[in-house]
Amino acid sequence: RKEVEQDPGPFNVPEGATVAFNCTYSNSASQSFFWYRQDCRKEPKLLMSVYSSGNEDGRFTAQLNRASQYISLLIRDSKLSDSATYLCVVNIGSSNTGKLIFGQGTTLQVKP
Amino acid sequence: DTEVTQTPKHLVMGMTNKKSLKCEQHMGHRAMYWYKQKAKKPPELMFVYSYEKLSINESVPSRFSPECPNSSLLNLHLHALQPEDSALYLCASSQEWGSGELFFGEGSRLTVL
Repeated sequence: RKEVEQDPGPFNVPEGATVAFNCTYSNSASQSFFWYRQDCRKEPKLLMSVYSSGNEDGRFTAQLNRASQYISLLIRDSKLSDSATYLCVVNIGSSNTGKLIFGQGTTLQVKP
Repeated sequence: DTEVTQTPKHLVMGMTNKKSLKCEQHMGHRAMYWYKQKAKKPPELMFVYSYEKLSINESVPSRFSPECPNSSLLNLHLHALQPEDSALYLCASSQEWGSGELFFGEGSRLTVL
């Protein structure tokens, strides 16, 4: 079983749609969780951290379910500019060491 | 604009060549990383340096040799590579090792002939 798993998609949605991505992780000791965004032929950039209580940043909401070992990302009112690959990242070590492991990414294509 | 600078952006080398990839950051970050990314795949961790000391080596073949001359610089020395080593090599830094906020450079795209 992979340490971090995502549905690769692609997810093709119309502008204005709401779309959700899930990511599962295998190491129950994982401490911290993140969503990164990677545009085509660009470097990954941090989108948001995922906190135990869930967190929201504008149209983006991230949630963590430790019992089921998954994190989610919800995008509301999709924009054309949201088209990218969304990478789930898990720190599988302790908070001040560990390894940041990337999921294979979920590709989102927002259509006009 | 990225605050992590990688050179060169593109590199083509033969299997007998020796070359180096360079990475620089001036954000005062104490952790630096090398990741390898193949097309349509996620970045794969290669090495982690924390306070200029090698902290993680993900069983990377010895034909890849990392070096951290000081807190701002990270090099990756390449020797006797194979065609399957062709990939995008991404350098990243973070405030401390374990921080999830990685700042990536634009990468060095390597082709091994």
